[in-house]
Parts: sequence; C-alpha cells; structure tokens
Amino acid sequence: KNQVEQSPQSLIILEGKNCTLQCNYTVSPFSNLRWYKQDTGRGPVSLTIMTFSENTKSNGRYTATLDADTKQSSLHITASQLSDSASYICVVSAIGGSYIPTFGRGTSLIVHP
Amino acid sequence: SQTIHQWPATLVQPVGSPLSLECTVEGTSNPNLYWYRQAAGRGLQLLFYSVGIGQISSEVPQNLSASRPQDRQFILSSKKLLLSDSGFYLCAWSNRGAGNNSPLHFGNGTRLTVT
Repeated sequence: KNQVEQSPQSLIILEGKNCTLQCNYTVSPFSNLRWYKQDTGRGPVSLTIMTFSENTKSNGRYTATLDADTKQSSLHITASQLSDSASYICVVSAIGGSYIPTFGRGTSLIVHP
Repeated sequence: SQTIHQWPATLVQPVGSPLSLECTVEGTSNPNLYWYRQAAGRGLQLLFYSVGIGQISSEVPQNLSASRPQDRQFILSSKKLLLSDSGFYLCAWSNRGAGNNSPLHFGNGTRLTVT
C-alpha cells in the first residue's frame, strides 16, 4: 500500500531560525514528489517537485532534497519568517495508473517572533 | 491563466439538510478534477475524482456524491448531512496532459459546519 509519512507532526521555531521537515514514502513505482504549503484556511500550493534523478532543488529559502534509494525527502527552510507559519505537505505520485497522488498528513510549522 | 473558483467559503447547515458545493475551473480544458476533505488537524482525504464529463470515481463510502455536468464544473452534494460531514472541503484540478507531472491546483476551500 502506498504511504507517505511526515515528521515531525508539528514544529515551533523562532523567526530567523532554520528548520528541516522530513518525509518517508513507500509509493512505487516512484514518479515524483512534491512539497506543498498550506496556509490556514486556504488550499495547498505546490512549492517544488522532485523527480527520480534530482537530489536537491531550491525555491527561494526552501530547499528540498530527495534520496530515491532510501525513499526519503526533506524540506529545509532557511532564515524562517512569520509568513512561513503553515502546514507543509509531502505528496508522492506513482508512475502510470490514475492521477491520484498519495498525501502525507503534513507538518504544522509555527514561527514565533 | 488558469483559475479555480470554489464557493461558498463558509457554510453552516443543520443535520439532515441537503448540500451542494460548486467548483469551476477557468483557463484550461479537459482537466482532472478532485474533491478532498480535511478534518481539523488531519491530512487531506480524497473523496472523488473525475477524468471527464460524467466520469466520477469515489474513493470512500460516504454520505456524499459528486457530479461533473460540464468539463470544468465539479459539484459535491449530499441529500442529508450528518454531523460527521463537517470539515474543510477542497476542490482541485490537474492538467491531464501532463499526467503525474502536473501539480494539483486547489481552490480556497469551503468550511462546512453541520449543527
């Protein structure tokens, strides 16, 4: 069964600090992995996509990594800002079949001033 | 550019009343369409998805139904709401031509409270 597990479930950090969110998956055969950001009361928005051949990809202060061998991904946020407070969701897609990706439950990040 | 509209933003309904949530997409054609539900503090649960007009797949047995009367319109319905139907409902679309490389584009959701 395809599964996506995220850790930690929640995280509180001070503004300006860095943090790393983790994602482990068992989706197979692997197609791609996306990180989404969901602000409170809004729909999720895609931050970055990782394919099998990619190890690292950055989007501003967000850097995603992928280890396809261990089936792990991380999202590193540098110099956090108050606006980074949100839920970060790891979503993994499999090759072929229907267009239904597998969602993790998300990590709730709170950035305090 | 493509946009997705979902309404209403909030809704309070009594138990046993009907429900109709509407979602429309602009700026694209032949999209995949999805309805998700998110309970408080929980992840997104896929309720229905559609790859074409009149083609609806249900992921979980429930009190809800979905319809796609037009290419870019997706409707979530219930004949009689239950307390357990409360939650945050999200509509999304993806580009079928891009397959699994297309992100899901979400609407801003409907907060449903069944009292």
